[in-house]
Amino acid sequence: NAGVTQTPKFQVLKTGQSMTLQCAQDMNHEYMSWYRQDPGMGLRLIHYSVGAGITDQGEVPNGYNVSRSTTEDFPLRLLSAAPSQTSVYFCASRGGLAGTDTQYFGPGTRLTVL
Amino acid sequence: GENVEQHPSTLSVQEGDSAVIKCTYSDSASNYFPWYKQELGKGPQLIIDIRSNVGEKKDQRIAVTLNKTAKHFSLHITETQPEDSAVYFCAANSGGGADGLTFGKGTHLIIQP
Repeated sequence: NAGVTQTPKFQVLKTGQSMTLQCAQDMNHEYMSWYRQDPGMGLRLIHYSVGAGITDQGEVPNGYNVSRSTTEDFPLRLLSAAPSQTSVYFCASRGGLAGTDTQYFGPGTRLTVL
Repeated sequence: GENVEQHPSTLSVQEGDSAVIKCTYSDSASNYFPWYKQELGKGPQLIIDIRSNVGEKKDQRIAVTLNKTAKHFSLHITETQPEDSAVYFCAANSGGGADGLTFGKGTHLIIQP
């Protein structure tokens, strides 16, 4: 198993550009989520999905869109990037069984918005 | 929603000594408390977790304790080694489990040789 994979590893955008951060998992997990990590702030939940076709907002959803068309993939879209979105982004997944809370994280995407 | 506080933000210990990191949480419905270790340039990795029906859990040099009444849980690392140097995060779920984990702000653990 590759686990949780993310692409790209690094990205530089100009203000106003759009892009999609890719996330995929091969563990057949129902639950997937996106976090952003900023210095001194820990990890904050952006959006999550409990299964294909179902998404919901987390703590800091503004400026981000998500969709979940398959169990494996959960892309994060920035429609019009802003400098405040400079951060490291982590995707995570966990199994859908009750009580299966262990989350597995991808290696992260470091995004800089100029 | 859940709020998780973590202390200290930086902890420096001599190699071989013990390290303790403490967290408090606010949501009494939370029932799952994992600890993650993050090395530079990598994603967080689960090192130990505890559920609310257990007071203590141990895995070799790492242990976690939970006090549900006081709403706090702690990570204990004994006989620290240089490879323990990293940032450690505590987290708590939100009872229902569907909306992810709430993380503390992290502790930078430095092991002095």
